[in-house]
Amino acid sequence: GAVVSQHPSWVICKSGTSVKIECRSLDFQATTMFWYRQFPKQSLMLMATSNEGSKATYEQGVEKDKFLINHASLTLSTLTVTSAHPEDSSFYICSARPLAGSYNEQFFGPGTRLTVL
Amino acid sequence: QQQVKQSPQSLIVQKGGISIINCAYENTAFDYFPWYQQFPGKGPALLIAIRPDVSEKKEGRFTISFNKSAKQFSLHIMDSQPGDSATYFCAASNNQGGKLIFGQGTELSVKP
Repeated sequence: GAVVSQHPSWVICKSGTSVKIECRSLDFQATTMFWYRQFPKQSLMLMATSNEGSKATYEQGVEKDKFLINHASLTLSTLTVTSAHPEDSSFYICSARPLAGSYNEQFFGPGTRLTVL
Repeated sequence: QQQVKQSPQSLIVQKGGISIINCAYENTAFDYFPWYQQFPGKGPALLIAIRPDVSEKKEGRFTISFNKSAKQFSLHIMDSQPGDSATYFCAASNNQGGKLIFGQGTELSVKP
């Protein structure tokens, strides 16, 4: 149980294009999903907290107009990287907090590797 | 206040040995302390977690020791195996939003 999927698992795009990443909780409902970015050999950095049906809350220093987050249902959140540039190349990971269960517990997706050429 | 400091950055252990990774925090409002295991190119997976009302929790070969007064917690991996070679992250959160604050990570290598 508590499986989170991400699609795509990897994507390569040209500079200036937009890329959408999906995060789905497969066997549970999640009112809250989190989006992280991880650079090689570094820790996970929280980008934003996404709540179903409301606007996402972004961490300090994260451009909300560049990283658009939509949490349209209790099982789906999307992250769109707009006008991507090479410096946006990273490993993007989502997590989901179950509607039922421990408030703190999060289950992570497998990640999406974004490469911007 | 929001930081979680993790050490060591890297660790090499012989097969069958004990791996120990330490974390320290400042924010006394933290009430949930999980450990995650991450393999290259994969998302982190929850290994074990503890809350501050207990001093130790064991699940199989993995044990968390928690020292509330020192604001420290550690992960012990008993009988370490080559398959345990991965990066381990400690984290902490509280019930104000539930955001996880991650440590810097420890790259563990278990030699056969």
